Amino acid sequence: DTEVTQTPKHLVMGMTNKKSLKCEQHMGHRAMYWYKQKAKKPPELMFVYSYEKLSINESVPSRFSPECPNSSLLNLHLHALQPEDSALYLCASSRLAGDETQYFGPGTRLLVL
Amino acid sequence: GENVEQHPSTLSVQEGDSAVIKCTYSDSASNYFPWYKQELGKRPQLIIDIRSNVGEKKDQRIAVTLNKTAKHFSLHITETQPEDSAVYFCAAVASGGSYIPTFGRGTSLIVHP
Repeated sequence: DTEVTQTPKHLVMGMTNKKSLKCEQHMGHRAMYWYKQKAKKPPELMFVYSYEKLSINESVPSRFSPECPNSSLLNLHLHALQPEDSALYLCASSRLAGDETQYFGPGTRLLVL
Repeated sequence: GENVEQHPSTLSVQEGDSAVIKCTYSDSASNYFPWYKQELGKRPQLIIDIRSNVGEKKDQRIAVTLNKTAKHFSLHITETQPEDSAVYFCAAVASGGSYIPTFGRGTSLIVHP
């Protein structure tokens, strides 16, 4: 399996809701990433997990909470989001954290009302 | 930190023409330079990459050149086709550092039939 999968594809949530985004890869990669992408902009790194441990948090607000239950799964828990958090959320993985090729999932398009 | 400049922001060509997208970077420690293609509503997909020990790499109609002295790298697409229309992002990654890829702002390539 050479793909990164993400669910759901689309998500609409209110500012008081709690939801989770899921990401899965079965390539044996030990680094996984969450990115946020606004329209016509490059992906912005949010979090990096290396060997299931959080290694980088790019000053992301606490209403975003990542979780890496095992080496194949990565979750992003969402709570009390703001309308400006509406974006495409991309998961990526790479063999190791480093100067390695990152493979992106299809993304979850999130709309916060 | 690393800063990646990408030009042009928009590039319009006729089918069959060549297209060139240029990026410059600031951190001399950067040694891995991937290029991603992102079609509308789709995930970024790696199309080619180059490491600092190589000056040029080619894959069919796509080539990347790297000038470490001048800190710039370029994507060349020959014999463009309408399906090449997409947003292209360059990125730079430094080994031995935080391994966070720094993306350029993107180039919207339009290939007219």
